Amino acid sequence: SQQGEEDPQALSIQEGENATMNCSYKTSINNLQWYRQNSGRGLVHLILIRSNEREKHSGRLRVTLDTSKKSSSLLITASRAADTASYFCATGGAKRSYNTDKLIFGTGTRLQVFP
Amino acid sequence: GAVVSQHPSRVICKSGTSVKIECRSLDFQATTMFWYRQFPKQSLMLMATSNEGSKATYEQGVEKDKFLINHASLTLSTLTVTSAHPEDSSFYICSARWWEGLSITDTQYFGPGTRLTVL
Repeated sequence: SQQGEEDPQALSIQEGENATMNCSYKTSINNLQWYRQNSGRGLVHLILIRSNEREKHSGRLRVTLDTSKKSSSLLITASRAADTASYFCATGGAKRSYNTDKLIFGTGTRLQVFP
Repeated sequence: GAVVSQHPSRVICKSGTSVKIECRSLDFQATTMFWYRQFPKQSLMLMATSNEGSKATYEQGVEKDKFLINHASLTLSTLTVTSAHPEDSSFYICSARWWEGLSITDTQYFGPGTRLTVL
C-alpha cells in the first residue's frame, strides 16, 4: 500500500500545550499537505509544503518536511479545545499529470484537547 | 471561495436499491473531482478520479459497475451506488481541484461528505 503512516494514532493533551503529529510516506512527492477533519465532516485544508521547502508556518501551525527521511511533522502550538479533530497528511505525486495526479492520505492522528 | 457541496448529507436506503450522491463546486469550475470512501475512524481511501467530459479512472479493487461516476459538467459530479448492500454503508466524500493559470491546483477542496446507511 502507498498509504502513509502517521503517529501517534491518538493524542490527548491539555489546552495550552503543543501537539506534534508525524507523517511518513513511501514514494517521491511533489508536495505534502495537512488536512483536518472534525467528526463526521469533510476535510479542511490546513497547509501545503512543497518538496523543495523544509518548513512552513501558518498561524499556530508549523509544518516541517524532510524528504531524505520521507517524513513530515505538524506542530500545533498553544492548542485549544476547538483543535480537537483528526489530522491527516496527504502526499501529492511527483508526476504532474493533471488527470492522474492524486493525493495519498496517511492513517491520521486523532487529537483530543481537554479544556 | 472554493466551496464544495454534497447532497444528500445523509441517506438511508434498503438493500438492492441504488443511491445517487451529488458533488458540486459552487464558486469555481472543477476540472477534476475525486471520490473517497471512509470507514469509521479510518483514513480516506480514493475510489476514483473524475475528469469533466471523460470516463472516470477507478482505483484498483473498486468496481466500476458498482460505483458509477458521471462528471458531466465543470461543476457537478455524481456517484451512484448501484444495488447497494449493507457493506456499502460508509462515509463518501468528494473533492475538487481546478486549473490555475497553466497548472492544476495542488490543493483539493472537500465536500462535507455523505453518510450512506444500507439496511
